[in-house]
Amino acid sequence: QKEVEQNSGPLSVPEGAIASLNCTYSDRGSQSFFWYRQYSGKSPELIMFIYSNGDKEDGRFTAQLNKASQYVSLLIRDSQPSDSATYLCAVDVYNQGGKLIFGQGTELSVKP
Amino acid sequence: DAGVIQSPRHEVTEMGQEVTLRCKPISGHNSLFWYRQTMMRGLELLIYFNNNVPIDDSGMPEDRFSAKMPNASFSTLKIQPSEPRDSAVYFCASTLRDGRNQPQHFGDGTRLSIL
Repeated sequence: QKEVEQNSGPLSVPEGAIASLNCTYSDRGSQSFFWYRQYSGKSPELIMFIYSNGDKEDGRFTAQLNKASQYVSLLIRDSQPSDSATYLCAVDVYNQGGKLIFGQGTELSVKP
Repeated sequence: DAGVIQSPRHEVTEMGQEVTLRCKPISGHNSLFWYRQTMMRGLELLIYFNNNVPIDDSGMPEDRFSAKMPNASFSTLKIQPSEPRDSAVYFCASTLRDGRNQPQHFGDGTRLSIL
């Protein structure tokens, strides 16, 4: 059974701080890693994706991947109240035609 | 560009009735996924199609659930007969598979309530 684990939270950070969201996965063959943001009552929205070890930056967001440790993280710099949402980590299943396994999500609350 | 389009947005029906959920993927995408989301179980993959062909339906809860993709621009998820435990938000997502797993793009979902 392939698994993706996230801290459920809630994670609370003050406005302007760095929020760090973490995710571990069990499938050593996984090649593609995605972070989605989901506001309450809305659909998941893609934030970042990463394929290679290291860091990938896009604006205030940085995704970090360490395949040896089977660990992927999302950093949000200068956190804003509008970043308050649930963040879902998704990992592909090796050789399964694009199938993704989603974590349970981490709820982030950014306090003004 | 139009995103993934799902209908209806909300469905309330009585136990035992047939429910049909519809999805139009993003034009040009060749993979389509049906998910169910509940508080208890999170986001679960039910079934997915590549080039209109069902690839993996191991997530379909039982024989009451069926899905079809008659062409590249339309898919349905049917529940017959429906039960209260089927109440959830059902999402459709699509992507273009070109040798690498590209991000999936989600529709707005169908919020299903079975009374």
